[in-house]
Amino acid sequence: GESVGLHLPTLSVQEGDNSIINCAYSNSASDYFIWYKQESGKGPQFIIDIRSNMDKRQGQRVTVLLNKTVKHLSLQIAATQPGDSAVYFCAESPGGTGRRALTFGSGTRLQVQP
Amino acid sequence: DAGVTQSPTHLIKTRGQQVTLRCSPKSGHDTVSWYQQALGQGPQFIFQYYEEEERQRGNFPDRFSGHQFPNYSSELNVNALLLGDSALYLCASSLDGSSYNSPLHFGNGTRLTVT
Repeated sequence: GESVGLHLPTLSVQEGDNSIINCAYSNSASDYFIWYKQESGKGPQFIIDIRSNMDKRQGQRVTVLLNKTVKHLSLQIAATQPGDSAVYFCAESPGGTGRRALTFGSGTRLQVQP
Repeated sequence: DAGVTQSPTHLIKTRGQQVTLRCSPKSGHDTVSWYQQALGQGPQFIFQYYEEEERQRGNFPDRFSGHQFPNYSSELNVNALLLGDSALYLCASSLDGSSYNSPLHFGNGTRLTVT
């Protein structure tokens, strides 16, 4: 498949280590945040989301942290596996209607070394 | 349960031509959004359809238009193609209402190349 994110920031980690991917957002009116994983040749795949009334949410091997004071979002992946290698995007949605016109960040490439 | 399906997967067109891309939403979803993803960048919102009406639109020219059918499927039309329209076009579906319980589900996209 075609490569996604040819010139993106890259995070390289060893298999089994924890990964932290960071994202800064700009719209203080955003109240919904979401992380997607995109593998080469595929569309974005939902990982985890969080509302602005929360500062932490956990899923299976993943945790999202939200710091509204500094408008910062992070995705933590525990025990990173080779299958986690992909481009990761954060996205935000303003307003409270949940109409989901997402604004995406530029992405981070995660490379997992075996 | 089929997810979001898009057709065709790849398409090559010449400048000035017109193109139509198609999308079937995930079963049970009634809202379709379209995004454009240039190489090396995040997706950009084009517009969203609900109840066969364009409900919200991003910063794209009128050359980009769409349609939603009674079965919730959707089409994206682009007229007078420019070289800069070359991108991956992504369709995403969701269930209307709070996004908090129904995040966007994306298809694998249509890769459009304009020569």
